[in-house]
Amino acid sequence: DAGITQSPRHKVTETGTPVTLRCHQTENHRYMYWYRQDPGHGLRLIHYSYGVKDTDKGEVSDGYSVSRSKTEDFLLTLESATSSQTSVYFCAIKKGANSPLHFGNGTRLTVT
Amino acid sequence: GESVGLHLPTLSVQEGDNSIINCAYSNSASDYFIWYKQESGKGPQFIIDIRSNMDKRQGQRVTVLLNKTVKHLSLQIAATQPGDSAVYFCAENLNTGNQFYFGTGTSLTVIP
Repeated sequence: DAGITQSPRHKVTETGTPVTLRCHQTENHRYMYWYRQDPGHGLRLIHYSYGVKDTDKGEVSDGYSVSRSKTEDFLLTLESATSSQTSVYFCAIKKGANSPLHFGNGTRLTVT
Repeated sequence: GESVGLHLPTLSVQEGDNSIINCAYSNSASDYFIWYKQESGKGPQFIIDIRSNMDKRQGQRVTVLLNKTVKHLSLQIAATQPGDSAVYFCAENLNTGNQFYFGTGTSLTVIP
């Protein structure tokens, strides 16, 4: 258990509504990541953070924003959800400079 | 082996047999590689990693082989058990940087 909690675990929302997903870690690691997982694709990076208020874009960042006001929480926001954002979203942490990512159990988001 | 197609490659093995799962990575400059296991409804779970200065690393019942010449990674699971049934995928990382790139995975089914 990497000490990562994602909430909610499941969410159904309508097109055009804002949605915020939360990732909480208990171990105060500096690096946190948001990925999406879709059939036919490997995990794709949306955004990541390397410290409080320090974030950077990944390969599929359009339509998403993030915030990190505390070390333990990394929020992913869909300002206006679209059907193409239906996916499973995973948060991950990196425990050190030369270490793998450790993942939470995901949030399944459906945009209708 | 790994594929970017819509359907996951599949591998079926008898309980007790050895399994070999393959991965072709894309960037010859990648220097850190990771294998993950993902069970249905859960996040990816770290299995084993290897750095580019090695060509083999062993864990408990698992061995990772790295062939940099042909950009190929494999995961060997000894004495495969029903609990090993899952999707397995590899990830590559460049210069211990912040971004990891993931394969699409292979679905392993263990037949009791």
